Amino acid sequence: GNSVTQMEGPVTLSEEAFLTINCTYTATGYPSLFWYVQYPGEGLQLLLKATKADDKGSNKGFEATYRKETTSFHLEKGSVQVSDSAVYFCALSSQGGSEKLVFGKGTKLTVNP
Amino acid sequence: DTAVSQTPKYLVTQMGNDKSIKCEQNLGHDTMYWYKQDSKKFLKIMFSYNNKELIINETVPNRFSPKSPDKAHLNLHINSLELGDSAVYFCASSPGSSGTYEQYFGPGTRLTVT
Repeated sequence: GNSVTQMEGPVTLSEEAFLTINCTYTATGYPSLFWYVQYPGEGLQLLLKATKADDKGSNKGFEATYRKETTSFHLEKGSVQVSDSAVYFCALSSQGGSEKLVFGKGTKLTVNP
Repeated sequence: DTAVSQTPKYLVTQMGNDKSIKCEQNLGHDTMYWYKQDSKKFLKIMFSYNNKELIINETVPNRFSPKSPDKAHLNLHINSLELGDSAVYFCASSPGSSGTYEQYFGPGTRLTVT
């Protein structure tokens, strides 16, 4: 079945550090890929997405590129801020049939001033 | 003007009780979902409705029964609550059931069963 594997957390960085959160997936066909973010005490919100190979999603300084050859969708940000502290979820949604979101286990990011 | 709202935000109850969680979206979306997030933050889909019709029904105990009275509402009723039901339950909606659509999540309902 479809699955998502993302790097275990927690991740602790200093402000302005470079962030990478690895995400790889297993899926049949051509899934859509997503990064969702959950701030403390809130629901998830979409950070970025990519729906086909080589697409790059970007938002709020975060980027991720859909790499079909390595089945990956790593999240990056060049300079993190304290306000980026949250839990980040990689997710995929397959095409056709029951198109549900399958989530990775989440990576908690803490950014210290 | 909250997009996806859930009530209640917190729910504390005893084992064996029956409880309901309500969800409403004002986005005009056709598809709604229930997710369960456990204590380790793992998020798993439970149910999905498209235009009031059940389209996803994961392996969930039949003590959990969703109901969609109209496109804007999706409620979750839980019978005979167990300790293991303690979790945060999220409602979400999307414009349609296609996998390319973004899902919009509610703020969550923290259920604690004692």
